Amino acid sequence: RKEVEQDPGPFNVPEGATVAFNCTYSNSASQSFFWYRQDCRKEPKLLMSVYSSGNEDGRFTAQLNRASQYISLLIRDSKLSDSATYLCVVIGAGNTPLVFGKGTRLSVIA
Amino acid sequence: EAGVVQSPRYKIIEKKQPVAFWCNPISGHNTLYWYLQNLGQGPELLIRYENEEAVDDSQLPKDRFSAERLKGVDSTLKIQPAELGDSAVYLCASSLDGGKHTEAFFGQGTRLTVV
Repeated sequence: RKEVEQDPGPFNVPEGATVAFNCTYSNSASQSFFWYRQDCRKEPKLLMSVYSSGNEDGRFTAQLNRASQYISLLIRDSKLSDSATYLCVVIGAGNTPLVFGKGTRLSVIA
Repeated sequence: EAGVVQSPRYKIIEKKQPVAFWCNPISGHNTLYWYLQNLGQGPELLIRYENEEAVDDSQLPKDRFSAERLKGVDSTLKIQPAELGDSAVYLCASSLDGGKHTEAFFGQGTRLTVV
């Protein structure tokens, strides 16, 4: 089983739609969680960290479910500019590096 | 402030030739990562440095890949000899430290094509 798993998509949604991505992780001792965004042929950039209590940044909401070992990202009122690949990132216990999922591709259509 | 700088942006070489990539991290960042990214995949760690020490290189194919980070600043990643399967984007990233909530900043990557 991969350490971090995501549905690769693509998710094709109309403008204004709400879309949710899930990500599961295998290491129950994992400590930190993030969502990164990667535009086509560009480098990944941090979108938001994911905290146990859940956190919101504008139209984006991230949640963590430690019991089920999954992380979610909800995007409300999708914009064309949200089209990108969303990478789930996990840091395990101890001094371990960032581990990336394969990414979920989102296309927002006019 | 300058971000992570990588060079070259693109490289095309014939198989069995050597190739080197260079990375200059953000000033003051102690942790430096080299990741490999294939099309449609997420980045996969090759090696991580804390200052000049390689603390995680278990995924680096040491028979052909080598890396160094002299003086704990710039880093180079070398492949010798290159194989067709090495074609990918090589991403360098840096963070202030290896802490759990420290954001990693990526360079634009070097796109390697081995023919």
